[in-house]
Amino acid sequence: DAGVTQSPTHLIKTRGQQVTLRCSPKSGHDTVSWYQQALGQGPQFIFQYYEEEERQRGNFPDRFSGHQFPNYSSELNVNALLLGDSALYLCASSFPPPSAGGNEQFFGPGTRLTVL
Amino acid sequence: QKEVEQDPGPLSVPEGAIVSLNCTYSNSAFQYFMWYRQYSRKGPELLMYTYSSGNKEDGRFTAQVDKSSKYISLFIRDSQPSDSATYLCAMRTSYDKVIFGPGTSLSVIP
Repeated sequence: DAGVTQSPTHLIKTRGQQVTLRCSPKSGHDTVSWYQQALGQGPQFIFQYYEEEERQRGNFPDRFSGHQFPNYSSELNVNALLLGDSALYLCASSFPPPSAGGNEQFFGPGTRLTVL
Repeated sequence: QKEVEQDPGPLSVPEGAIVSLNCTYSNSAFQYFMWYRQYSRKGPELLMYTYSSGNKEDGRFTAQVDKSSKYISLFIRDSQPSDSATYLCAMRTSYDKVIFGPGTSLSVIP
């Protein structure tokens, strides 16, 4: 079992650009959550996808959007990048979703995004 | 006041010491409590998960939850250099998103 995988590992963008990050959940998991982790901080919840729909959302602007595919993999898109978007972006998968009793989230290694 | 508070450290202990890591929180509706370990440049790894109040032990790790005081702890016995990492507490209500603390950086010195 490969666990949760994320791509790319690192990414450098400039302000105003758009970025797409990808996540493949752990085998058998159908729920994907995305987190942003700034240096020296704990992860901050961005949103969660289940059954190809956004089920919960944290306090992030509409510049952050996502998608879940029928195979449960997911993408995180960020438009109009700001310097403050530089962070480690983590994907976590679970089954079932926390709102249905699932609790254990497995995290991927993250994508480190640097915005110049 | 942040929902979850955690002393960021850094905490430095000698090998073999007992380590105590703590978090306080403000939302009395939190029912599920987790501890994650995060090595540098890696994703968080779930160490302990507890529901409501009480203790849970797993090997050298013991998690305690005191809901009356809104206080949770993680104890590490016989600490090893491989335990050097950042420890994140996390919690949530029955149906809401997971809230993480800022993490405590731990170094175990051989």
